[in-house]
Amino acid sequence: NAGVTQTPKFRILKIGQSMTLQCTQDMNHNYMYWYRQDPGMGLKLIYYSVGAGITDKGEVPNGYNVSRSTTEDFPLRLELAAPSQTSVYFCASRDPPSGRGGWETQYFGPGTRLLVL
Amino acid sequence: RKEVEQDPGPFNVPEGATVAFNCTYSNSASQSFFWYRQDCRKEPKLLMSVYSSGNEDGRFTAQLNRASQYISLLIRDSKLSDSATYLCVVNKAGGYQKVTFGTGTKLQVIP
Repeated sequence: NAGVTQTPKFRILKIGQSMTLQCTQDMNHNYMYWYRQDPGMGLKLIYYSVGAGITDKGEVPNGYNVSRSTTEDFPLRLELAAPSQTSVYFCASRDPPSGRGGWETQYFGPGTRLLVL
Repeated sequence: RKEVEQDPGPFNVPEGATVAFNCTYSNSASQSFFWYRQDCRKEPKLLMSVYSSGNEDGRFTAQLNRASQYISLLIRDSKLSDSATYLCVVNKAGGYQKVTFGTGTKLQVIP
């Protein structure tokens, strides 16, 4: 299994440009997440999905959009890039909660470093 | 008060030392707790879950104190390879979908 893969690894955007960050997982996980991590800060949830066709906002959704047409893919779209969106973006996936009521491990992709100038 | 708070460190300790980190959380209804490890410029990876009774995995011990609303991570016999940032993660009460990450505690093990 490749786990969670993200592309690109690094990108420089000009203000106002658009781009899509790709995320794919091959573990058949229903739950997928997009986070951003700014220097010295914790991960902030942008959007998440509990299955194909179902998405919901996280803590910092403004300026981003997502779609979930398949179980495997969860792309993140930036429509009008702003310097405030300079960050490292992590995609993650996990299984639904177990019957024990536990919260399963999240598996992270390697991240996309985005610089908006 | 932040949902999850950690001392950012850095904690600089010599090889072989024992070091402990605490993490406080604000929501008493939180149910699931984890420690993740994040190496420089890498993705976070699960180090261990934290169970009510406490749990140990080799040199690592995690504890949960519900009364005082904190979790702890103890690392014994520190290795150079333990140098990383340790993230405290707590689920958001009321649902299993989302969690809150602490900002992390940086550990530097010195030869």
